[in-house]
Amino acid sequence: TQLLEQSPQFLSIQEGENLTVYCNSSSVFSSLQWYRQEPGEGPVLLVTVVTGGEVKKLKRLTFQFGDARKDSSLHITAAQPGDTGLYLCAGAGGGGADGLTFGKGTHLIIQP
Amino acid sequence: SQTIHQWPATLVQPVGSPLSLECTVEGTSNPNLYWYRQAAGRGLQLLFYSVGIGQISSEVPQNLSASRPQDRQFILSSKKLLLSDSGFYLCAWSRPAAHEQYFGPGTRLTVT
Repeated sequence: TQLLEQSPQFLSIQEGENLTVYCNSSSVFSSLQWYRQEPGEGPVLLVTVVTGGEVKKLKRLTFQFGDARKDSSLHITAAQPGDTGLYLCAGAGGGGADGLTFGKGTHLIIQP
Repeated sequence: SQTIHQWPATLVQPVGSPLSLECTVEGTSNPNLYWYRQAAGRGLQLLFYSVGIGQISSEVPQNLSASRPQDRQFILSSKKLLLSDSGFYLCAWSRPAAHEQYFGPGTRLTVT
C-alpha cells in the first residue's frame, strides 16, 4: 500500500510570512498532484509534477518534486489570508485508471 | 469547458435506510470516474473507479456499491446505511490515462 505523509498537519502563521509544507513517501509515484480544499467544497487542483527534480511556480507558490519521485514540497512566499485552506498532496501510480493516493493534508491558516 | 455535478449537497439518513448519490460530468466524453470518501482527519479514501459504462472497480470492501449506467453518470448506492458510512463523499473525473483528477462539490452524508 502506498502511503503519503504530509507535514505539518496544522500550521498557523501571520500574513506576509513564508512557509513550506512537505509530502513524503517510501513509494515512487509516476506523478504527484497538489490540491487546495476549502471547508465544505471539493479539492481544487493546483499543479501536477511528473519529472524527478521538477520545479513549478504558480504565482507565490513553488512546487518541487523530489529527484527520486518519492516526495514533494510546497513553498508559499508572503502568505496571504486567501491562502488559507487544506493542502492535499496525491500520488498517482502507473496507469491512468487508478485513483490517487492522498495524504491527510496540511491545514493552513494565514492570520491577517 | 467541463463541469462536474453532485447531488444532493447534504443528506441526513437513518441507519438501515438506502442511499443513492449521483454524479454527472458535462463537456467531456469517456471520462474515468471516481468516488472518494473523506472522513475527518483521514484524508481521501478511494472507494470506486470506472473506466467505462458498466465497468466498476472497488478499492475497499464495504457496505457501498457503485454503478455507471451512462458514460457521464456515476452513482453511489447502499441498501442499508451504517453509522460508519457518514462522511463527505466526493466524485471526480479524469481524462483516460491522465493523472489529473477534477472534483465535484461533494455530498455531506450524516447517518443517524
